[in-house]
Amino acid sequence: KAGVTQTPRYLIKTRGQQVTLSCSPISGHRSVSWYQQTPGQGLQFLFEYFSETQRNKGNFPGRFSGRQFSNSRSEMNVSTLELGDSALYLCASSLAAGTYTDTQYFGPGTRLTVL
Amino acid sequence: DAKTTQPPSMDCAEGRAANLPCNHSTISGNEYVYWYRQIHSQGPQYIIHGLKNNETNEMASLIITEDRKSSTLILPHATLRDTAVYYCIEANDYKLSFGAGTTVTVRA
Repeated sequence: KAGVTQTPRYLIKTRGQQVTLSCSPISGHRSVSWYQQTPGQGLQFLFEYFSETQRNKGNFPGRFSGRQFSNSRSEMNVSTLELGDSALYLCASSLAAGTYTDTQYFGPGTRLTVL
Repeated sequence: DAKTTQPPSMDCAEGRAANLPCNHSTISGNEYVYWYRQIHSQGPQYIIHGLKNNETNEMASLIITEDRKSSTLILPHATLRDTAVYYCIEANDYKLSFGAGTTVTVRA
């Protein structure tokens, strides 16, 4: 079974632009979560989607948004990019949402650099 | 926020067992302990998880103390490819709260 895939793998943008990242979950997985990883803050939870609905959200500004499609694929968007948005953005999928035994499997990430 | 405590780093000899400790003294009764590892700039890789019983899979063993306040991840025969940052996490419902983890370096 194929793992979680993320596109693109690398991206360079300039301040003020916006960016859209894509995530395809493992086949059959219905929940998709997004995380941001920076050297200073480590891995931080952005939001989680299940059945096309955002169920949970981390402590990030409204510039960070996402959506999920009927086939469980997900996109996240960052508008008005800032230098501090440079990070590795990770997507994780799981079978269902909100259970303690629901293991999340991560993709390889998208490395975003904001100049 | 992360609620687990791990040593920042540890070394291990290739071919020997690596024992990674984790303290999770505030874990609640129905929270699982998850272990992930991250090799440089890659996505975190799931290793194992458990509630209160010891668990073993093809990658590792997880030993959880009876009071559930701490656990140990055991890599039975460490290889150079096991060099990574290892994260111990109390699974909270919908999200994983990562701490700084333990940087494990396996030396030949």
